[in-house]
Amino acid sequence: AQSVTQLGSHVSVSEGALVLLRCNYSSSVPPYLFWYVQYPNQGLQLLLKYTSAATLVKGINGFEAEFKKSETSFHLTKPSAHMSDAAEYFCAVSVRDSSARQLTFGSGTQLTVLP
Amino acid sequence: DAGVTQSPTHLIKTRGQQVTLRCSPISGHKSVSWYQQVLGQGPQFIFQYYEKEERGRGNFPDRFSARQFPNYSSELNVNALLLGDSALYLCASSLQGQGNTEAFFGQGTRLTVV
Repeated sequence: AQSVTQLGSHVSVSEGALVLLRCNYSSSVPPYLFWYVQYPNQGLQLLLKYTSAATLVKGINGFEAEFKKSETSFHLTKPSAHMSDAAEYFCAVSVRDSSARQLTFGSGTQLTVLP
Repeated sequence: DAGVTQSPTHLIKTRGQQVTLRCSPISGHKSVSWYQQVLGQGPQFIFQYYEKEERGRGNFPDRFSARQFPNYSSELNVNALLLGDSALYLCASSLQGQGNTEAFFGQGTRLTVV
């Protein structure tokens, strides 16, 4: 079974500051890892995914994440926050070599960007 | 191109009633998954269908059921509604059924049980 822990249910940063959202996973087999963003009253949009190629993954809107197997982490970063980044962010894991496509999500981190 | 469409967007039901939620995947996508997102939590996996067959089922009671039609659209049914079923129900479609394929989410159906 797999699980995801997102440290910090709320994170506040100033506009222009570094964004760091933390995600740790647990999986009995090598996982696929994802970050999704959710704006109010909307569905989820994929930011980036790790599927065993480069450990540093670049996504949309300037976000990137690094897969660290030794730390079982997949933290999301962005060098400079923008007001439009304010949203809820979810880390998710999916099992590799599975015939099913089940995403297990963390509980989310609400990002607030201060002017 | 149309994304994943879900209907209705909102509905209110009374405890004990039954509800049917609908999802149309992106054209060409053969896999549909359903998730329940309770306020303040991450989405929880309910079902996945691929080529009209159930590929996965989450830890939900038998009151929850789903099916996928020949055109790959899907319905989620919930019987004997409880207050705790109030949530945003999300549908996701993907080209294939495996774990590394990108899932595209609809905007969801907000179900309120009173």
